[in-house]
Amino acid sequence: QSALTQPPSASGSPGQSVTISCTGSSRDVGGYIYVSWYQQHPGKAPKLMIYEVSNRPSGVPNRFSGSKSGNTASLTVSGLQAEDEADYYCSSYAGSNNVVFGGGTKLTVL
Amino acid sequence: QVQLQQSGPGLVKPSQTLSLTCGISGDRVSSNSATWNWIRQSPSRGLEWLGRTFHRSKWYNDYAGSVKSRITINPDTSKNQFSLQLNSVTPEDTAVYYCARDSSGWVDYFDYWGQGTLVTVSS
Repeated sequence: QSALTQPPSASGSPGQSVTISCTGSSRDVGGYIYVSWYQQHPGKAPKLMIYEVSNRPSGVPNRFSGSKSGNTASLTVSGLQAEDEADYYCSSYAGSNNVVFGGGTKLTVL
Repeated sequence: QVQLQQSGPGLVKPSQTLSLTCGISGDRVSSNSATWNWIRQSPSRGLEWLGRTFHRSKWYNDYAGSVKSRITINPDTSKNQFSLQLNSVTPEDTAVYYCARDSSGWVDYFDYWGQGTLVTVSS
């Protein structure tokens, strides 16, 4: 069982927006700004999409945005495109030089 | 452009040692700002951070509690790479293993990943 809780699935039609949640505790998500999001296509390594709650690495489309409220972080994908269909994972610093991940959300573009 | 290239066997017998190497290009394992990590992924355990090595005037390591008694991560500055050794493996250690860079200098985010190595523990 993963330390952070994500919904197993999410879906949306092309052009729509979808938000994926990531719920932890005050010991991880709620206690630090060090929340990140990863996109993973089948058979590929995860790709960093958001770091430190809401920052996008160079090259990541601005359709991807992140936020946090209390113990829950969120990833929003706006203007859904077919290539956004993938698994998405959140992660958070959890103290004592440790990082924890969510169980992943499969995003389907209808 | 940073690239991480993993190598190592895909099959390990129970009770033996899992050994993987991650070669680095475009950065240095001795960087004073990055950390070098191993992460694994399995259907039963999801993504699991295993540990890291990094250099800040001297070498440091941090390991996840779940594997702390069995894991060693070592840098090799002469080859600009780092390695993972996991002792006394069981079938529960079967997973895809990734090496990854954290450029934050903190335990924060992983911006470059290796291609992944599926390691199966079976006799």
